[in-house]
This record gives sequence, C-alpha cells and structure tokens, in this order.
Amino acid sequence: DGGITQSPKYLFRKEGQNVTLSCEQNLNHDAMYWYRQDPGQGLRLIYYSQIVNDFQKGDIAEGYSVSREKKESFPLTVTSAQKNPTAFYLCASTQIQGAGEKLFFGSGTQLSVL
Amino acid sequence: QQQVKQSPQSLIVQKGGISIINCAYENTAFDYFPWYQQFPGKGPALLIAIRPDVSEKKEGRFTISFNKSAKQFSLHIMDSQPGDSATYFCAARAYKLTFGKGTLLTVNP
Repeated sequence: DGGITQSPKYLFRKEGQNVTLSCEQNLNHDAMYWYRQDPGQGLRLIYYSQIVNDFQKGDIAEGYSVSREKKESFPLTVTSAQKNPTAFYLCASTQIQGAGEKLFFGSGTQLSVL
Repeated sequence: QQQVKQSPQSLIVQKGGISIINCAYENTAFDYFPWYQQFPGKGPALLIAIRPDVSEKKEGRFTISFNKSAKQFSLHIMDSQPGDSATYFCAARAYKLTFGKGTLLTVNP
C-alpha cells in the first residue's frame, strides 16, 4: 500500500540532545513537508522540499534542520537549539490534482522531553 | 499573524444534528480551501475542498459553503454521527497551505 511512514511513533529527548525523526513516502510525490502540532495551535509549517537536494524554511524553522537526499525520504532533526520541542510532528507529501493540492500525512511522531 | 481564523474551538452535537464550523481569512491571494479531518493519534486526512469560483460543494453529508465577498467559508456536517467525532482543520492556500487552529467535534450518541 502506498503511503507515508513516520518513525518512531514516540520519541524522548534529553537536554542538549539532537534527535532525528524519519519520514519515508512511496507515493512518488515530489513535495514533502514537516509540520508541528501543539494542542489548540493547529499545524505550523517547519520546513518543506519541492525537489531533491532543495528545501525551504517554513514559519517556525528555528531549532530544526532537514535534508532531502532522496525523493522518498525527508528526515527532520530537532536540535538542542529548539528549547520547546515537545509536540506532535507530522510529515506530509503532496499530490497535485488538477488545480488543487492534496496533502497526504503520516501518522506522526510524538516527541517529549525527559 | 493568524491568516485563517477558525471557530469554534470545540463543538458538541447530538447524533443526527448539524455540525457547523466556520473559517475566515484576509489574504485575497488564497485560491484553494480544503478541510482536513484528524482522529486522535493519527495524521489529518483531506475531507473536502473548494475553489473560490464555486459557492458550495457537497460530498455526501459534508458541505462547504464559500462566501468570497465576506472572505468566509464553513463546513456543514449533516446527520452528524459519533464516528464524525474528530478534530477538523480548515486551510487556505496561496503558495503554501495555512491551517486554522482546529475544532474538536464531539458527537454524542
């Protein structure tokens, strides 16, 4: 089945530690996105990539980094510079349908600070 | 700056009732308005979407009403069911999607 796989489902970070969240898609989508979800805050865009080896900052990129070495993969690193990392992180990819845009989301990673 | 304002934050409806969620925007460059449904512990999924040249779109029990002059759009869920209990997000796209803060819908049996 085609889809987006995020791992791990739960992740714990210690003070000063960098952690990496995995996102893999087999939908052959060109564009991939990372969103952060906090209770009552909606979805906020962290980074996005429309093509391999290229990515752009979203609205809340500080303290995060990404790479896009393969079309299928878009890992997100939460660095120690991100002082409030506890959140639900969602990866998504885009299929362009006619004049619209449909985002396919993974099942998310819940990151907590120890 | 919140570009898409969604209300209410939470909504409780009886089974069989109508659920209505509203969104308002300011940016006239938005050209695509989707609604996403999210169940606990899962990622959101596209429910229904509309473009501004249409005033209404219906898919089953779900309808989007769009008022371009007022810069408002709303989701109506007819004959609401307990299985509709979820968080609903409106969104609007210029060059990227901007999401509202979400509405937690609870449909009581």
